[in-house]
Amino acid sequence: NAGVMQNPRHLVRRRGQEARLRCSPMKGHSHVYWYRQLPEEGLKFMVYLQKENIIDESGMPKERFSAEFPKEGPSILRIQQVVRGDSAAYFCASSPPRTGGDEQYFGPGTRLTVT
Amino acid sequence: GESVGLHLPTLSVQEGDNSIINCAYSNSASDYFIWYKQESGKGPQFIIDIRSNMDKRQGQRVTVLLNKTVKHLSLQIAATQPGDSAVYFCAENIVDQGGKLIFGQGTELSVKP
Repeated sequence: NAGVMQNPRHLVRRRGQEARLRCSPMKGHSHVYWYRQLPEEGLKFMVYLQKENIIDESGMPKERFSAEFPKEGPSILRIQQVVRGDSAAYFCASSPPRTGGDEQYFGPGTRLTVT
Repeated sequence: GESVGLHLPTLSVQEGDNSIINCAYSNSASDYFIWYKQESGKGPQFIIDIRSNMDKRQGQRVTVLLNKTVKHLSLQIAATQPGDSAVYFCAENIVDQGGKLIFGQGTELSVKP
């Protein structure tokens, strides 16, 4: 059973470009979460999705950031017009189909560098 | 060795000693807690979890203690090994409010051979 997969592992973008980060949850998991981690800090929740639904986006910046989890295919975190402050590690996690109270399994992360 | 919690983000122990990592969680309504281990350049790895109806849970070489009165969580690692060197995070969740995890600052554990 493959774990949570994320790609790319490393992504370099110039200021103003778009960044697309992909996450494939573990088999049988229908809940996906995105977190952001700045250097030497803990992870900060961004968004929680189920298939075709955004359940909680309370941690998403109001502008430039969006997330989706389509019926088919991976979850996508999209950052438009990236700025230097977006440089961070972005982690995706997945959990079984139950709301809360379940361990979340994390992917290896995508390290975004904005130049 | 013993961590004094979030005020001491690094903990250095001798191989074979027991380690205690502390965490003060933020929300008295939280009812599910997880400890994660994160090695450099990798994603967080689940270690052990505990629900608020328990005050202790044991795994292989690890024990988590929960004190809801003072909102304190600790992770004990027995016979610490060099492979335990990593940053350890506690995370809390309110089950009725969905799966969002709130992470603590983290403690870096360094094991000296």
